[in-house]
Amino acid sequence: DAGVTQSPTHLIKTRGQQVTLRCSPISGHKSVSWYQQVLGQGPQFIFQYYEKEERGRGNFPDRFSARQFPNYSSELNVNALLLGDSALYLCASSLDPLNTEAFFGQGTRLTVV
Amino acid sequence: DAKTTQPPSMDCAEGRAANLPCNHSTISGNEYVYWYRQIHSQGPQYIIHGLKNNETNEMASLIITEDRKSSTLILPHATLRDTAVYYCIVRATGANNLFFGTGTRLTVIP
Repeated sequence: DAGVTQSPTHLIKTRGQQVTLRCSPISGHKSVSWYQQVLGQGPQFIFQYYEKEERGRGNFPDRFSARQFPNYSSELNVNALLLGDSALYLCASSLDPLNTEAFFGQGTRLTVV
Repeated sequence: DAKTTQPPSMDCAEGRAANLPCNHSTISGNEYVYWYRQIHSQGPQYIIHGLKNNETNEMASLIITEDRKSSTLILPHATLRDTAVYYCIVRATGANNLFFGTGTRLTVIP
């Protein structure tokens, strides 16, 4: 079975641009969460969606938004990119909204120049 | 806020047991202890979780002290592929996110 897939794997953007990252959860998983991991730190929670509804939001500015589609895939959007947004963006899926066992994708490496 | 304290790094000889400690002295009664690991350039991988009883699965064992203020993750026979950053996470029942902290970088030495 395919695991959590994220696209693209790598991305370079310029300050001020907008970016969209995509995530396909494991088949049957209805919960998708997004995390940001800057170099040398552990992942930080950005959003969780379950059944297309936002269930949780971390301490990130409004430039960050997300949505979940009827097939449970998800997009993370970041507007007005800053240099500090450079990070590995991880998507995790789970069967339940409590992420009892969350499965992570390989991430999208975003570099803002 | 961080609810766990872990040593920043540890070494373990290949084939020996790796014992990774975690302090969570402020843990509440409804909070579980989770362990994840992250191998270089990969996403985190779930290992095990528990509430108050010791737990074992095919990957590891989790030993939680009786007062629940600390725990130890045990990899019984460490291999080079176990080299990774190990995260101990305390998560309340009903919480939908994981707070990772900075973890312990385990290096398995041949």
